[in-house]
Amino acid sequence: GAVVSQHPSWVICKSGTSVKIECRSLDFQATTMFWYRQFPKQSLMLMATSNEGSKATYEQGVEKDKFLINHASLTLSTLTVTSAHPEDSSFYICSAGWGGMNTEAFFGQGTRLTVV
Amino acid sequence: KQEVTQIPAALSVPEGENLVLNCSFTDSAIYNLQWFRQDPGKGLTSLLLIQSSQREQTSGRLNASLDKSSGRSTLYIAASQPGDSATYLCAVRFLGSSNTGKLIFGQGTTLQVKP
Repeated sequence: GAVVSQHPSWVICKSGTSVKIECRSLDFQATTMFWYRQFPKQSLMLMATSNEGSKATYEQGVEKDKFLINHASLTLSTLTVTSAHPEDSSFYICSAGWGGMNTEAFFGQGTRLTVV
Repeated sequence: KQEVTQIPAALSVPEGENLVLNCSFTDSAIYNLQWFRQDPGKGLTSLLLIQSSQREQTSGRLNASLDKSSGRSTLYIAASQPGDSATYLCAVRFLGSSNTGKLIFGQGTTLQVKP
């Protein structure tokens, strides 16, 4: 299957700082990538849809100014958690697919963010 | 509202048993349904993808079925092994003008296979 790489796999940061997470499609081009958040023992919740060359589409309740998404190329999307707080501590995971609606979705390894 | 539900939340079986994981969804208008495996603290591994026009898909000891009209899918695991212990997630890509291809996930079933 296609490979989606996410970096870093874990990060610890201080409250008030910003953290950038990268999501790369290694062997295919992805015009659309998705960012999910997962709390302990819970399922994945979609945060936003990242579109190459245009603004991201955020789900209801997700703060656009706090979770900045940039999809500057067909193989890279970034999620920046700005002014992080302890409640932002979570597992963030991205996904991408090489084709349209009928194709398989592939996920990155996830990033464990801990804000202290 | 488009929702996905998985039952049970947790399951413990002895090694060698065949087992079934259940997934239900509220809207039969779907593109496809995908089953994933997630190990603790890890990302998701895609297991099977079933298109809306298909009834089932098989990969090794795994078989996934889809009954779109009743809004149900099952993941059948044959001859379970301790290495199958993980959380299994069902995700649906619903039809709709507002859908950008996103997946809606169930809560997952955490499986433990005891040696």
